[in-house]
Amino acid sequence: AQRVTQPEKLLSVFKGAPVELKCNYSYSGSPELFWYVQYSRQRLQLLLRHISRESIKGFTADLNKGETSFHLKKPFAQEEDSAMYYCALNGYGQNFVFGPGTRLSVLP
Amino acid sequence: EAGVAQSPRYKIIEKRQSVAFWCNPISGHATLYWYQQILGQGPKLLIQFQNNGVVDDSQLPKDRFSAERLKGVDSTLKIQPAKLEDSAVYLCASSYRNTGELFFGEGSRLTVL
Repeated sequence: AQRVTQPEKLLSVFKGAPVELKCNYSYSGSPELFWYVQYSRQRLQLLLRHISRESIKGFTADLNKGETSFHLKKPFAQEEDSAMYYCALNGYGQNFVFGPGTRLSVLP
Repeated sequence: EAGVAQSPRYKIIEKRQSVAFWCNPISGHATLYWYQQILGQGPKLLIQFQNNGVVDDSQLPKDRFSAERLKGVDSTLKIQPAKLEDSAVYLCASSYRNTGELFFGEGSRLTVL
């Protein structure tokens, strides 16, 4: 069965500090992993996907199949990064499964 | 390009009443999803359509929830009768193909009293 876990419900960092939001998954195969973000009063939207291997708004995420992880990282957090972040998995032909989310709060 | 449209944005009903939510996906998107998001939790898939066929409804409480996408475009999600635990935001999303990016609507917030 597909499952996504995000161990931190809330993560607070100071502006300019590094950020790492953790995501672990369980899936017997090669899934497609995503990070979605929801800023205050906005709809849920895609931040990045592992197959594109790109940096979006300074965020990167590397798929580690050995550790079944897809942690989201940013070297220097900005106040505008404050939002809810959801890790999601799509097991090709199966449904999109979302994690419980981590609220990132970047303090001035 | 117009985004995913949902209505109503807010709905308050009493338990045992019925409610319906409507979703219009992005034009050309064959896959449509309904998610339930309870406060403090991540979105939970209720049902996935590919055109007008159901791909997955394994987590849909079929005794009270129903959904349809008759012409393969817009969709309705109905709850009858509603329970207190159905209070949540109901999110509709669409994608061009079922392994692609999901585009979400703003959601319909349901409060059951």
